[in-house]
Amino acid sequence: DQQVKQNSPSLSVQEGRISILNCDYTNSMFDYFLWYKKYPAEGPTFLISISSIKDKNEDGRFTVFLNKSAKHLSLHIVPSQPGDSAVYFCAASGAGGTSYGKLTFGQGTILTVHP
Amino acid sequence: NAGVMQNPRHLVRRRGQEARLRCSPMKGHSHVYWYRQLPEEGLKFMVYLQKENIIDESGMPKERFSAEFPKEGPSILRIQQVVRGDSAAYFCASSPPSGTGELFFGEGSRLTVL
Repeated sequence: DQQVKQNSPSLSVQEGRISILNCDYTNSMFDYFLWYKKYPAEGPTFLISISSIKDKNEDGRFTVFLNKSAKHLSLHIVPSQPGDSAVYFCAASGAGGTSYGKLTFGQGTILTVHP
Repeated sequence: NAGVMQNPRHLVRRRGQEARLRCSPMKGHSHVYWYRQLPEEGLKFMVYLQKENIIDESGMPKERFSAEFPKEGPSILRIQQVVRGDSAAYFCASSPPSGTGELFFGEGSRLTVL
């Protein structure tokens, strides 16, 4: 039962353009969402997060949008840079307490940004 | 401030042997999580520990797997009698006591079972 889904295994974008990575979830108890970036042979690194009380959070070139009614979130990277090429994981967690660090991850999307 | 330290980075075991993976959380972090990533898949939660306590082990296989986070020393993920299906990358993550939900991950330990 895949509760967090990233339906695009890969995405290819030209440098300077926008990258849009999508994520869908099925569990309505999820109330905190995160995006992680992962390079080969390294651990995931935190990028940006959003609480369910918001519909948008922005940090520099990265913006996450949350549509609770559609159970959908997206990560926008503008402008995209070759160094952004990595695997991007969407993750979700339930309400605080012991579930805080118990993340459910999507399968990941490989982003390639071409110079 | 050192990040989450995991060792060994690579471990090769034959079927039936034991694997021990170690994790030292970031300084000041008292919550440790173990995740497993099988090939071509996302990370899957295994267990959440605080010092001397297992808080949530709902993602741990029922047999052969155990985890601990002693009062002194690193957290240990132990896999007894390994099988080929245990081959995966095992990631440890830590968070501070007042968690915001953000986890800080180590570089992972890659277990290969021959």
